[in-house]
Amino acid sequence: DQQVKQNSPSLSVQEGRISILNCDYTNSMFDYFLWYKKYPAEGPTFLISISSIKDKNEDGRFTVFLNKSAKHLSLHIVPSQPGDSAVYFCAASPFLFSGTYKYIFGTGTRLKVLA
Amino acid sequence: DTGVSQDPRHKITKRGQNVTFRCDPISEHNRLYWYRQTLGQGPEFLTYFQNEAQLEKSRLLSDRFSAERPKGSFSTLEIQRTEQGDSAMYLCASSLAAGTGNTIYFGEGSWLTVV
Repeated sequence: DQQVKQNSPSLSVQEGRISILNCDYTNSMFDYFLWYKKYPAEGPTFLISISSIKDKNEDGRFTVFLNKSAKHLSLHIVPSQPGDSAVYFCAASPFLFSGTYKYIFGTGTRLKVLA
Repeated sequence: DTGVSQDPRHKITKRGQNVTFRCDPISEHNRLYWYRQTLGQGPEFLTYFQNEAQLEKSRLLSDRFSAERPKGSFSTLEIQRTEQGDSAMYLCASSLAAGTGNTIYFGEGSWLTVV
C-alpha cells in the first residue's frame, strides 16, 4: 500500500524554465512533508519542508505547495539549472497526530534539466 | 559542521555472512533513523531511536536485523545470515527533537552487495 505516490517517474525540462514535481498522498493524518534531492550513490539531500498549517513555503528557487483537500503537494524549481538534474523524493509524516516521527517516502521522480 | 557519517560506504559479502554498519549522527541530534533503499524505490523505513530508546521498528526489519544505539550517540545496524535480497543502500538519518518541525538529514549511505 503506497501511501505516498510520485506518479511521474521522470521529467525533462529546458534550462531556465520551471520544473514542477508532483506528489500525492492517501493518509489524511500526514501533517509534515519534506522534499529531497538525490544524486546517484549519495544519500538524499534535504531541500524544503512544509507543515500542514501552511499551503506554501519558499526557499530561493524552490517553492512547495500543499493542497490538503486534494492530498497533493508539488515542488516548483524556478529557474531550473542543469545541476538540478537528480531524483527528487517527497516524504510525509503524521507526527503531530500520531506521535510517530517516521517518514514515508515516494518512489521518486527523475528530473533532467537540458542545457 | 559535520553531517551524518556512515561506515563502511561499500560492503561486499558472501551470502550467509554477518555484516554491521555504523552511523554517527549530527552531534546534537537525538533522533536517529535507519532506512533501506533499493533501485527504483524510495527510502523504506526500518527503525528509529530517540536517544538510546528504539521507538519503532518496521515489519521489514526481520529477526536477522538488529539495530542498537547503546549510549544515545552512534548506532549500529547488524544483518545476520545475509541473503541476496538484502542487497541495498542502507541509509542513516538524524534529527533534532525540537519545535514542530522534524527535518531528517541523511548520511551518504552504506552500499551492501550480497553475492
